[in-house]
Amino acid sequence: GAVVSQHPSWVICKSGTSVKIECRSLDFQATTMFWYRQFPKQSLMLMATSNEGSKATYEQGVEKDKFLINHASLTLSTLTVTSAHPEDSSFYICSAQADLQETQYFGPGTRLLVL
Amino acid sequence: AQKITQTQPGMFVQEKEAVTLDCTYDTSDPSYGLFWYKQPSSGEMIFLIYQGSYDQQNATEGRYSLNFQKARKSANLVISASQLGDSAMYFCAILPSGTYKYIFGTGTRLKVLA
Repeated sequence: GAVVSQHPSWVICKSGTSVKIECRSLDFQATTMFWYRQFPKQSLMLMATSNEGSKATYEQGVEKDKFLINHASLTLSTLTVTSAHPEDSSFYICSAQADLQETQYFGPGTRLLVL
Repeated sequence: AQKITQTQPGMFVQEKEAVTLDCTYDTSDPSYGLFWYKQPSSGEMIFLIYQGSYDQQNATEGRYSLNFQKARKSANLVISASQLGDSAMYFCAILPSGTYKYIFGTGTRLKVLA
């Protein structure tokens, strides 16, 4: 149980385009989903927290207009990187949590390369 | 402020040996959860083990056990009988009560030698 999928696993795009990443909890309902960014050889950096049906809460320094998050259902959250630039190239990973104070289960991550 | 410290950036262990990965934390909250995750080169974060601050016994999950010393604020991960597939990055995380956000350590890269 507790499986989280993420799609796509790899994306290469041109600068200026927008990229959408999906995060799905496959066998449980996730009241909360988290989006992280990870640079090579570094720890995970929380970008934002999303709850189903409400606006995402962004961490300090994360541009909400740049990284659009939608949590339309209890099993799906999407992250859209708008007008992507090379500095947005990174590993993006989501996690899902059934209830607060419970274990977060992570998706397999998405590697984004912006040319 | 909440903080997680993993002092070992890299570790080597011989196959079939046991290895301990260190994790210390700093929190003033009386209630919190401690987690260990494994991140292989593929990138996914695999949940390994959880320890609640009020749990009387150390958590165990198969070959993984958590050496929880509350007074010392440490939550070391012990992997017994290491396997080549255990080679990965390992992250310790704390979830203080009243918050939903993990605080991750910087990770320890483990390499299991044949």
